[in-house]
Amino acid sequence: AQSVTQPDIHITVSEGASLELRCNYSYGATPYLFWYVQSPGQGLQLLLKYFSGDTLVQGIKGFEAEFKRSQSSFNLRKPSVHWSDAAEYFCAVGNAGNMLTFGGGTRLMVKP
Amino acid sequence: EAQVTQNPRYLITVTGKKLTVTCSQNMNHEYMSWYRQDPGLGLRQIYYSMNVEVTDKGDVPEGYKVSRKEKRNFPLILESPSPNQTSLYFCASSSHLVFLNNEQFFGPGTRLTVL
Repeated sequence: AQSVTQPDIHITVSEGASLELRCNYSYGATPYLFWYVQSPGQGLQLLLKYFSGDTLVQGIKGFEAEFKRSQSSFNLRKPSVHWSDAAEYFCAVGNAGNMLTFGGGTRLMVKP
Repeated sequence: EAQVTQNPRYLITVTGKKLTVTCSQNMNHEYMSWYRQDPGLGLRQIYYSMNVEVTDKGDVPEGYKVSRKEKRNFPLILESPSPNQTSLYFCASSSHLVFLNNEQFFGPGTRLTVL
């Protein structure tokens, strides 16, 4: 069965600092990987996705993620965090059977 | 505007009183899905539908029913709600074959409390 682990429940960074959110997955075949963001009181918005090809994926809002098969990881990064990035972030893995499995989420807080 | 709508947005009910949460999308998407979100557990898939009259169980289907009589609508039915179904529910939709470069679009969520 597929699974996703986001080791950090909460992360606090200063505005302007760099950010890395960790995601580890378990899946037998080549995974489909996603990062979603959820702002308070809102639904989920797709930041980026990886299906195949280049392992460094660019997304919206200045985010990127790198797929590392050897580490079963798909960490999300941003070079300079803005206060508006404060939200909850979810990593997800999907399979060809249309099952999407989410991690538990990482809540990001941004200090002024 | 392309969107997924859910109603109601907030609902407080009592154990055993049947309820339905509606979900509608205006993007002509084949695929629709229901998730529940609980703290520390992320989103877990309840049911999904590949097309009209085609539904299948997700990870946590117990206590829920769905139907897909029309392409745009995918209601979630709780025949006899229990307190452990208190949660935040999201509906999502996508074009056919969701993972072939197609994004899932999420509704705004329905916060359900069962007393």
